[in-house]
Amino acid sequence: SQTIHQWPATLVQPVGSPLSLECTVEGTSNPNLYWYRQAAGRGLQLLFYSVGIGQISSEVPQNLSASRPQDRQFILSSKKLLLSDSGFYLCACAVGTNTEAFFGQGTRLTVV
Amino acid sequence: AQSVTQLDSQVPVFEEAPVELRCNYSSSVSVYLFWYVQYPNQGLQLLLKYLSGSTLVKGINGFEAEFNKSQTSFHLRKPSVHISDTAEYFCAVRKIQGAQKLVFGQGTRLTINP
Repeated sequence: SQTIHQWPATLVQPVGSPLSLECTVEGTSNPNLYWYRQAAGRGLQLLFYSVGIGQISSEVPQNLSASRPQDRQFILSSKKLLLSDSGFYLCACAVGTNTEAFFGQGTRLTVV
Repeated sequence: AQSVTQLDSQVPVFEEAPVELRCNYSSSVSVYLFWYVQYPNQGLQLLLKYLSGSTLVKGINGFEAEFNKSQTSFHLRKPSVHISDTAEYFCAVRKIQGAQKLVFGQGTRLTINP
């Protein structure tokens, strides 16, 4: 089965600094990949999803961007972080059309 | 577009009591349905899923859910809860065909009291 690696686990960044969160997948190929954000006390908001290399769909206009340079690598970025970017970021992977998504352990980002 | 509504943001229950966490969805096309559990500061773990067939699906940790197409609901149940069931629970849907977005509800925080 697939394994999802996310790093770092926690991150504290100043306002205006850049961001790069990386997610890599093992144990499968050609997965659908997702980035979610979970703000304190709130549900999961889908930020981006990708069905293949270089293919990114953005769900919510915001201060973030995503890229998929390799089949099993998904990167979440920002040029200048805002306080409102704080949250728990989760990467997820799904293979095929009738299977569940598997999640990484998440990155807790605090923008100060 | 699909949407998911979890009707209760918090559900407190006593240990060994039954619990039901409610989930309603909206979609113009057929969907797959999922329930996930999240323990503090961790990712999400699948509890159960409905793809097709029997509308009553059983998952891990003694949970089950029933798909009701006419009411567009997928409520999660457990006949007797334990302290270890304290967690956040998320209902999610995904279209059977087309864009592979997995859309989640806002979550229900289940608190088990001794």
